[in-house]
Amino acid sequence: SQKIEQNSEALNIQEGKTATLTCNYTNYSPAYLQWYRQDPGRGPVFLLLIRENEKEKRKERLKVTFDTTLKQSLFHITASQPADSATYLCALDGAGTGANNLFFGTGTRLTVIP
Amino acid sequence: DAGVIQSPRHEVTEMGQEVTLRCKPISGHDYLFWYRQTMMRGLELLIYFNNNVPIDDSGMPEDRFSAKMPNASFSTLKIQPSEPRDSAVYFCASSLSPGETQYFGPGTRLLVL
Repeated sequence: SQKIEQNSEALNIQEGKTATLTCNYTNYSPAYLQWYRQDPGRGPVFLLLIRENEKEKRKERLKVTFDTTLKQSLFHITASQPADSATYLCALDGAGTGANNLFFGTGTRLTVIP
Repeated sequence: DAGVIQSPRHEVTEMGQEVTLRCKPISGHDYLFWYRQTMMRGLELLIYFNNNVPIDDSGMPEDRFSAKMPNASFSTLKIQPSEPRDSAVYFCASSLSPGETQYFGPGTRLLVL
């Protein structure tokens, strides 16, 4: 069956360190993968999109990698700050599934400790 | 643009009552999505529309749920009759194409007693 797994429900790190979040998927062949941030009481907000032919993408302190062989994406936040504390969701497009929408992981709740 | 607008933000109702959630997508977005989010199941797609036409409603849990999009700027999700297990946060999102970036509303937190 199709599955999207994010490394852990919660991740705590010290301010200034690099946070690394993992998104693994099975039985999908996405053309691209997205990362969203969700704060308590709010809807998810788009952060980055990476396509299957891109190995890495950066935006300010954020970096995303996409390995279609391993079926994995890594999401890095460098020089983390308490304001980065939130839940981060990965999402795949439905290419190859017959579905034309996004499929979301359950998210990882990141807490950056001052 | 004001972004995706949802109302109400919070809804508390009793089991058996009808609940109607409302959504206004971003102007110019042809796709509108309804999601349900719970701690146990995460973000689940219920239904999505393209140009006001329902395309995939396979995520709608049962006949008690229905959704409409009478025009490009308005959609409703109705639950009748509501049950306690329907308690969740319901999000509406819109996009220019179905698999690319989606813009979410603030959600409606529904509690069915």
